[in-house]
Amino acid sequence: QVQLQESGPGLVEPSETLSLTCTVSGGSISSYDWNWIRQPAGKGLEWIGRIYNSGRSTNYNPSLKSRVTMSMDTSKNQFSLKLNSVTAADTAVFFCARGRGSSYFDYWGQGTLVTVSS
Amino acid sequence: QSALTQPASVSGSPGQSITISCTGTSSDVGGYNSVSWYQRHPGKAPKLMIYDVSNRPSGVSNRFSGSKSGNTASLTISGLQAEDEADYYCSSYISSSTVVFGGGTKLTVL
Repeated sequence: QVQLQESGPGLVEPSETLSLTCTVSGGSISSYDWNWIRQPAGKGLEWIGRIYNSGRSTNYNPSLKSRVTMSMDTSKNQFSLKLNSVTAADTAVFFCARGRGSSYFDYWGQGTLVTVSS
Repeated sequence: QSALTQPASVSGSPGQSITISCTGTSSDVGGYNSVSWYQRHPGKAPKLMIYDVSNRPSGVSNRFSGSKSGNTASLTISGLQAEDEADYYCSSYISSSTVVFGGGTKLTVL
């Protein structure tokens, strides 16, 4: 059974960089694509981006592309998200998820709340 | 990319059927057979319920079904049960290998 677990600071100061890591167990991240998705309180889900092809390829949400970087460490079976220049509007629960065919997400982490505040 | 349009809320009584719509454009819902649906209970991770418009993953009840007509996709839940009360989100592939979600629908079982 594939399992995903997000980790990282729960509090980030405005204008700083938000950094999260997703650790995958029960399967190799060298296959499939690996995604970050977020949900601000009281709002809907927002796809942030995906990384695949053993970390050689990425696709990002155009609205966030200028601030997002994703990377992958296949030796640790982990992938990561960096979102720079954060503001309070970036406060959200962040999920990592396994993607299939650039289309749907079949395994999700439990999510981690990141608050942007000084 | 604009979020797909879903009704904010729907409700139904146990045993009834309900349908949640997800409206997009010819650039997303109408252009690809890549609509999926997710169920999210408060504080829990989203769960895939339907993929590629009408396919159910293993383990998902056959009370859940999906369809699409033009730019609108639909999720139907038949034989409504108390445990179905949750938020539901649709998503669609759009161009350049990106994905867009709907705003979500809160299902209340009366």
